[in-house]
Amino acid sequence: GAVVSQHPSRVICKSGTSVKIECRSLDFQATTMFWYRQFPKQSLMLMATSNEGSKATYEQGVEKDKFLINHASLTLSTLTVTSAHPEDSSFYICSASGQGAFEGTEAFFGQGTRLTVV
Amino acid sequence: SQKIEQNSEALNIQEGKTATLTCNYTNYSPAYLQWYRQDPGRGPVFLLLIRENEKEKRKERLKVTFDTTLKQSLFHITASQPADSATYLCALGDYKLSFGAGTTVTVRA
Repeated sequence: GAVVSQHPSRVICKSGTSVKIECRSLDFQATTMFWYRQFPKQSLMLMATSNEGSKATYEQGVEKDKFLINHASLTLSTLTVTSAHPEDSSFYICSASGQGAFEGTEAFFGQGTRLTVV
Repeated sequence: SQKIEQNSEALNIQEGKTATLTCNYTNYSPAYLQWYRQDPGRGPVFLLLIRENEKEKRKERLKVTFDTTLKQSLFHITASQPADSATYLCALGDYKLSFGAGTTVTVRA
């Protein structure tokens, strides 16, 4: 299957600082990448959709100025949590989908990033 | 509003038995339904995709059914093993995926 690498896997930052999370598709070109957030024992909540070379589309209730998404190439998308606060502590996961050898709309996920804001 | 419900939060099962998980949805007309496995602290891993015109799909010990009239999918793990212990998520969407809350399966040796 397709491989998506997400980095870092864990990060602890101080309140008020910014954190950048990278998501890379290693063996396919990801035309679309998705960013999710997951709280304990809850499902994945889609935050935003990014297409290479264009602005991200954010879901309702997600602050685009707080969660900056850049999808500069077909293999890399980044999520920057700006001015992080303790309530931003969560598990952030990216996924990528591409064209070609896939069955349909299945997504391939990164390993996830556990963000803790202290 | 659209809703995806996985009928039980947790399922405990004896090794060798079949685990059956249910996914019901409302206010969707999906072209695909997907199942993922998620281990603690990890991202989901794609398992199976079934199309709206397919009734059943198999992959090794996994079987998925899809009933668009009932708006339901069943996910079966046959001859379950302790290594199958994980949370299983169903997902719908033709482009952006929406996920159910998941069912955590624990297989006892």
